[in-house]
Amino acid sequence: EADIYQTPRYLVIGTGKKITLECSQTMGHDKMYWYQQDPGMELHLIHYSYGVNSTEKGDLSSESTVSRIRTEHFPLTLESARPSHTSQYLCASSPAPGTDTGELFFGEGSRLTVL
Amino acid sequence: QQPVQSPQAVILREGEDAVINCSSSKALYSVHWYRQKHGEAPVFLMILLKGGEQKGHDKISASFNEKKQQSSLYLTASQLSYSGTYFCGTEPFNQAGTALIFGKGTTLSVSS
Repeated sequence: EADIYQTPRYLVIGTGKKITLECSQTMGHDKMYWYQQDPGMELHLIHYSYGVNSTEKGDLSSESTVSRIRTEHFPLTLESARPSHTSQYLCASSPAPGTDTGELFFGEGSRLTVL
Repeated sequence: QQPVQSPQAVILREGEDAVINCSSSKALYSVHWYRQKHGEAPVFLMILLKGGEQKGHDKISASFNEKKQQSSLYLTASQLSYSGTYFCGTEPFNQAGTALIFGKGTTLSVSS
């Protein structure tokens, strides 16, 4: 049973606001990811982490930042939200290679609307 | 780097079969398949590793052609529950252990 949680599930904010999307997992997975997905569209990798104090940028430049201070927590921050940031943000985690199949467990997503 | 999926959409009646393809221009270490239903998160179906065997899960199976860097997902005797968008995610061989890059998805609609 996957245990990965995202908050908030839905957020409507004004342009220029700073927001943080929270993601926590209780599976002890080393690897965590953030993907951005517009409704019915593909998943774009925006950030990932191999473990504590490790963060890497993905292919999509989303003007966001992440941190990984604890294994279970991988928050995503937008310093100044813009309407172009309106999307769904999916957090995922996976065990380290060699320990399991490497499948990704996804959270239910945070749907962000910037007015 | 993004894998190419085909077809973009498939419409089936219950009991019919479908094949979804995923191809990459890079040598691959692994290919993942996920299904996403409307309004839900993607759910893992299976993973195929370089040098690994064809996988199967109930009436859904997949293969990985290492020479062509192509994977195919086979859905046989489709059920209504198979409806959704299918994504392949690839892990290039020279970037094994990094992160999956997903294709644009194939939307499958199964009707009774």
